Amino acid sequence: GIQVEQSPPDLILQEGANSTLRCNFSDSVNNLQWFHQNPWGQLINLFYIPSGTKQNGRLSATTVATERYSLLYISSSQTTDSGVYFCAVERLGTQKLVFGQGTRLTINP
Amino acid sequence: DTGVSQDPRHKITKRGQNVTFRCDPISEHNRLYWYRQTLGQGPEFLTYFQNEAQLEKSRLLSDRFSAERPKGSFSTLEIQRTEQGDSAMYLCASSLGTSGGSLHFGNGTRLTVT
Repeated sequence: GIQVEQSPPDLILQEGANSTLRCNFSDSVNNLQWFHQNPWGQLINLFYIPSGTKQNGRLSATTVATERYSLLYISSSQTTDSGVYFCAVERLGTQKLVFGQGTRLTINP
Repeated sequence: DTGVSQDPRHKITKRGQNVTFRCDPISEHNRLYWYRQTLGQGPEFLTYFQNEAQLEKSRLLSDRFSAERPKGSFSTLEIQRTEQGDSAMYLCASSLGTSGGSLHFGNGTRLTVT
């Protein structure tokens, strides 16, 4: 099956800092999504981004499908950004999203 | 749009008992997924429905697990003869379209098998 690797596994930052999270995948995909799992366990969809760049407020994401990676940028971090960020991909010819192991982000005040 | 709803939120059961979970997807979504998540891991795919048809099942879904989606609306996930290794968060998600689309998760059902 497709492999999804996220880095770094853990990231600790001060409020106001910027961060970049990376997702590498091992095969061609037709679907890539980023999620935030908050400390209460709720998974929130951040971006549906199989290719290109999208922005939503302080968050933006870029997927370079030909090079099999995606990046999630968080600017001016807030404590509410803490949690685990997951990348999930859907390999061509399948209909299931496969999740990476996540990046745990901790934003300290 | 009331979101994806799962019931119950928590379930504690004794080993060997059967349990059933329910998921109500976002009403216009035709795709419904079940995932399982254990502590420190990403969600693992279990099974997927498009309308009422179950189109894919993971090897993780042993013969003790069965999922249904009658009439293409709500879905149930049943685990028979539960084992301690079944303890996990069971997540339901739904999406719209034939080529994926944004996946929306419910709050999950946390199962503890004692």
